[in-house]
Amino acid sequence: EPEVTQTPSHQVTQMGQEVILRCVPISNHLYFYWYRQILGQKVEFLVSFYNNEISEKSEIFDDQFSVERPDGSNFTLKIRSTKLEDSAMYFCASCGQESSPLHFGNGTRLTVT
Amino acid sequence: QKEVEQNSGPLSVPEGAIASLNCTYSDRVSQSFFWYRQYSGKSPELIMSIYSNGDKEDGRFTAQLNKASQYVSLLIRDSQPSDSATYLCAVTLGGRGGSQGNLIFGKGTKLSVKP
Repeated sequence: EPEVTQTPSHQVTQMGQEVILRCVPISNHLYFYWYRQILGQKVEFLVSFYNNEISEKSEIFDDQFSVERPDGSNFTLKIRSTKLEDSAMYFCASCGQESSPLHFGNGTRLTVT
Repeated sequence: QKEVEQNSGPLSVPEGAIASLNCTYSDRVSQSFFWYRQYSGKSPELIMSIYSNGDKEDGRFTAQLNKASQYVSLLIRDSQPSDSATYLCAVTLGGRGGSQGNLIFGKGTKLSVKP
């Protein structure tokens, strides 16, 4: 069964550094998402992306965050200047149609020191 | 502020029993409702989706939706130790541009099934 792939599985970075989290959604999917989960907390919506633009973003997704689909397969989340509170598990998800449930990737654990 | 509330548990049931998980949501215009299972350190895995009032059964799982009461539940019959996980309730307002996927999650109920 096709799956959403995320790399790296674990990223450690120093405060103030830029990080790029990478995702390869399922190949025929059109809708892409980033979520995050701080340890012990809820899974939180960050941003949705469709037709090469952001559809919706949450309050968490401020100017430090950006997303890109640089080619036909990758979907990236960039954090420009990481803060300690950005430490979390970041999940990429995709779906093929508006009414379809999401397929989540295995996540990238980001640790900011 | 749109909220999804769940009892955090832990909910402990013996193997073979029925586990009942509950969820309430605050926004009346919510359209789609999902139950995800999350093992520790892993990603959410879809168990059930439900869109209209009533019951929906899939194997050992039954989802129940009552939009008037803004309530969603998940029943797991014949619970197995492998069902031990955190169960996340999620709702979406639906709409255009894939916003079906703009899920609002509850904090989850931790289920423990004892052999």
